[in-house]
Amino acid sequence: GNSVTQMEGPVTLSEEAFLTINCTYTATGYPSLFWYVQYPGEGLQLLLKATKADDKGSNKGFEATYRKETTSFHLEKGSVQVSDSAVYFCALRNKLGGGADGLTFGKGTHLIIQP
Amino acid sequence: KAGVTQTPRYLIKTRGQQVTLSCSPISGHRSVSWYQQTPGQGLQFLFEYFSETQRNKGNFPGRFSGRQFSNSRSEMNVSTLELGDSALYLCASSLGDRDINEKLFFGSGTQLSVL
Repeated sequence: GNSVTQMEGPVTLSEEAFLTINCTYTATGYPSLFWYVQYPGEGLQLLLKATKADDKGSNKGFEATYRKETTSFHLEKGSVQVSDSAVYFCALRNKLGGGADGLTFGKGTHLIIQP
Repeated sequence: KAGVTQTPRYLIKTRGQQVTLSCSPISGHRSVSWYQQTPGQGLQFLFEYFSETQRNKGNFPGRFSGRQFSNSRSEMNVSTLELGDSALYLCASSLGDRDINEKLFFGSGTQLSVL
């Protein structure tokens, strides 16, 4: 079946530090990969996605590259801000029959940025 | 354009009771998916409804059920509540194109506490 593993944290960094959140996955076929972010009291928001091997998703200074050879999709940002404090979820979505399966999520990484 | 609306925001129930949660999707969206979020298991896919029919289902017992109305609004029902059903229940709406890259829009969730 499908599964996603990510570091759970909390991860505490100082403002302007470099961020990496590791994510690896197990899946058959060719899933699409996603990073979602959940701010306190809010629903999940799509941060970025990549739909095939070697694709790079990017948004708001965050990047992640779909690495099929290492089954990874690590999230990076060069300089984090206090406003980036949130819970980050790595996820995949695979095909099922003629359609799409539900999203499979990692457990989430709580990121805390200190000023 | 209004986002995904979930009601109620909070619910407190006791073991053995049943509960119904509601989700109103974004106007024009025909697919509604439900997810359970717990500290231990993380985010897990419950089921997806499209055009009043369940199109996909996760690995949850039959106590968890849902339905969708002709206006695409969806309800989720949990019968014979157990302590372990305490969770944040999120719904997501989308156009329903059966594309694994289709964007999902999440509501803020219903926090269910079972005492």
